Amino acid sequence: AQSVTQLGSHVSVSEGALVLLRCNYSSSVPPYLFWYVQYPNQGLQLLLKYTSAATLVKGINGFEAEFKKSETSFHLTKPSAHMSDAAEYFCAVSDLRAAGNKLTFGGGTRVLVKP
Amino acid sequence: DAGVTQSPTHLIKTRGQQVTLRCSPKSGHDTVSWYQQALGQGPQFIFQYYEEEERQRGNFPDRFSGHQFPNYSSELNVNALLLGDSALYLCASSWGKGRFNYGYTFGSGTRLTVV
Repeated sequence: AQSVTQLGSHVSVSEGALVLLRCNYSSSVPPYLFWYVQYPNQGLQLLLKYTSAATLVKGINGFEAEFKKSETSFHLTKPSAHMSDAAEYFCAVSDLRAAGNKLTFGGGTRVLVKP
Repeated sequence: DAGVTQSPTHLIKTRGQQVTLRCSPKSGHDTVSWYQQALGQGPQFIFQYYEEEERQRGNFPDRFSGHQFPNYSSELNVNALLLGDSALYLCASSWGKGRFNYGYTFGSGTRLTVV
């Protein structure tokens, strides 16, 4: 079984400050890892994904994440927050070997950006 | 190119009733997955359809059933609705066979309220 833990259900940052969202996963097999963003009343948009290539993954809107196997982590960062980054962010893991490739999500982290 | 289309966008039902939600996958995608997202939580996997068959199922009761049509569109049916079924229901489509299922595209969801 796979699981994802996102530390901090809410994060508040000032505009221009570093955004750091933490994600730890549990998986008995090499995982695919994803970060999604959800704006109010919308579906999920893929920010970036790790698929066993480079451990530092760059995504859209200036976000990046680093896969650390020894720490079972996949934290999301953005050097400088923008007001438009206010949203909910979900980390997810998927099993490479399962034909269904279902996504297992964390509980989410809501980001508030202060002017 | 249209993405994933879900209908209806909002729905209000009474306890004990039945509901059908619909999903049209992104062009070129042949796999449809359904997720339930309760308020303040991450999405939970319900099931996935591929080649008109249920390929994988999450931990949901038999009241939740689905169907995939030859054109790859899908329906999610929920019988004997409970108040706890109130949630955002997300459809995700993808392409690929076996392990390599990289690209999930999510729809904007159907907001179901059970009263």
